[in-house]
Amino acid sequence: AQSVSQHNHHVILSEAASLELGCNYSYGGTVNLFWYVQYPGQHLQLLLKYFSGDPLVKGIKGFEAEFIKSKFSFNLRKPSVQWSDTAEYFCAVISGDMRFGAGTRLTVKP
Amino acid sequence: DTAVSQTPKYLVTQMGNDKSIKCEQNLGHDTMYWYKQDSKKFLKIMFSYNNKELIINETVPNRFSPKSPDKAHLNLHINSLELGDSAVYFCASSQREGSYEQYFGPGTRLTVT
Repeated sequence: AQSVSQHNHHVILSEAASLELGCNYSYGGTVNLFWYVQYPGQHLQLLLKYFSGDPLVKGIKGFEAEFIKSKFSFNLRKPSVQWSDTAEYFCAVISGDMRFGAGTRLTVKP
Repeated sequence: DTAVSQTPKYLVTQMGNDKSIKCEQNLGHDTMYWYKQDSKKFLKIMFSYNNKELIINETVPNRFSPKSPDKAHLNLHINSLELGDSAVYFCASSQREGSYEQYFGPGTRLTVT
């Protein structure tokens, strides 16, 4: 079955630590990939997206993600997190309709 | 200007009632969606609506019905509310159906008592 997997349910980091959140999908064929962020009590906002071209995508707020087709992965990274990055992060894939991963809660301790 | 707006933001109601949530987008998009986010933050698509074509997630109970008076609006009507309907409901829109990013509304937190 087609699915989107986020392996980390809850990640806790200290400020200035590096972040990598995993995302794997099981769709075949062409996919478009997204990372959304949901700050506490707010709606989903687009962090970055990959449609084609350079597999290393840079988004807002210093986030980036790398599409590795052979691994069916689209991991999110940030070299140095801040307390304000505390949020829920969702990976999403479009291959037909949009499917979301279960989300990863990131807690950044000051 | 808010791109995708929803009203109300909070909705508390009793079991058995009928309620509606309104959604409007001013982006000129062709396609609109409704998602349900449960207490574990899991997002599940309920409906997508494009040019009067409705695509229903088959797991959605028929107590839920989307209504689109025009391209900019997609309202969600829920009949005979149940405790399990308590969740945050997000409206979203995209330029067209298919591989386009979606823009989300602020969400409506529905609590059924």
